Amino acid sequence: KAGVTQTPRYLIKTRGQQVTLSCSPISGHRSVSWYQQTPGQGLQFLFEYFSETQRNKGNFPGRFSGRQFSNSRSEMNVSTLELGDSALYLCASSIGGLQNEQFFGPGTRLTVL
Amino acid sequence: TQLLEQSPQFLSIQEGENLTVYCNSSSVFSSLQWYRQEPGEGPVLLVTVVTGGEVKKLKRLTFQFGDARKDSSLHITAAQPGDTGLYLCAGARDFGNEKLTFGTGTRLTIIP
Repeated sequence: KAGVTQTPRYLIKTRGQQVTLSCSPISGHRSVSWYQQTPGQGLQFLFEYFSETQRNKGNFPGRFSGRQFSNSRSEMNVSTLELGDSALYLCASSIGGLQNEQFFGPGTRLTVL
Repeated sequence: TQLLEQSPQFLSIQEGENLTVYCNSSSVFSSLQWYRQEPGEGPVLLVTVVTGGEVKKLKRLTFQFGDARKDSSLHITAAQPGDTGLYLCAGARDFGNEKLTFGTGTRLTIIP
């Protein structure tokens, strides 16, 4: 079965702009979670969505938001981009939630200039 | 604050040697997952341990969950170049604010 897909794979933005990233989970998976990965901070949890509801949230500012659609596809939005937002953004899907195996997509590499 | 500390941060060894990677925390986790990530890809799950003291083996890899469910280790026997990658532990907690906390990572390089 098809894996988790993320679009776009690469993105370059400038400070102050906003960006929307997309994630399509594995068919049948209802949980989608988002992570930010940087060399300095490692992999950090942003939030998790389950059946269109945000179920868990990490310690990120309100500029980071997301949503999930009825087909379990999810989008993540970052507003007023800062240089420090440059990172690899990973999406993962699972059957039931964070206790279950997370299937990761290849990520979106965001560069903020 | 990084709740899960991994050591060593970097490890470069010869093919055929053994190694151990540690994942330590002061917090209790209900389960702990180990992932391996290769360049340009997302992490891939290796194993999940859920019971204190549990030991799981995956071919040449042995995973152990600490008795108090605060720490874990990954031991690789007779390392091969295909073992090269970034190893991440991740702890899940299901009391209250559930989230998945990833460790700081161990970058392993196996030299042929």
